[in-house]
Amino acid sequence: RKEVEQDPGPFNVPEGATVAFNCTYSNSASQSFFWYRQDCRKEPKLLMSVYSSGNEDGRFTAQLNRASQYISLLIRDSKLSDSATYLCVVKNYGQNFVFGPGTRLSVLP
Amino acid sequence: DAGVIQSPRHEVTEMGQEVTLRCKPISGHNSLFWYRQTMMRGLELLIYFNNNVPIDDSGMPEDRFSAKMPNASFSTLKIQPSEPRDSAVYFCASSPGYEDSGNTIYFGEGSWLTVV
Repeated sequence: RKEVEQDPGPFNVPEGATVAFNCTYSNSASQSFFWYRQDCRKEPKLLMSVYSSGNEDGRFTAQLNRASQYISLLIRDSKLSDSATYLCVVKNYGQNFVFGPGTRLSVLP
Repeated sequence: DAGVIQSPRHEVTEMGQEVTLRCKPISGHNSLFWYRQTMMRGLELLIYFNNNVPIDDSGMPEDRFSAKMPNASFSTLKIQPSEPRDSAVYFCASSPGYEDSGNTIYFGEGSWLTVV
């Protein structure tokens, strides 16, 4: 079993839709959590950190459930420019960043 | 501010040749990472350094791969001899600190390697 697992995707949604991505992690000692976005043939870039109380950044909402070892990302009112691969990232002790396999999102006109 | 700088951006080489990838981390960052990304295996950590010292090289696939960080502003990843299965995008990344759990990681644009 991989340490970080995500919905396989791809998700194809119309503009304006709400879409949710799920992620689970296996290491209960994981310390920090992030969502990264990767555009085609580009490097991954930080989308947002995920805090225990949940956090929102515009149309994006991230949630963390430590008991279930589950992380989610909700995108509201999706735009064409949201089309990308979304990577769930877990940071363990030290600098051990573990990336999930990613979920590809295509927002269709 | 300059981000993580990698070179070359693209390289095509013949099987058996030596490949050297270079990375300059963000100034002031103490940790440096080398990742490899393929369609089949996703993003894999190869090795990371903290304060120029290799901390975890368990992801280095085999002895053909080696990485060095001679100073805080430069690192190399070397493949010798290269094989077609080494074809991938190699990302270098850096992070500000070691123990601060809030620190995140910043990627360079990647080195696209094709071994024929």
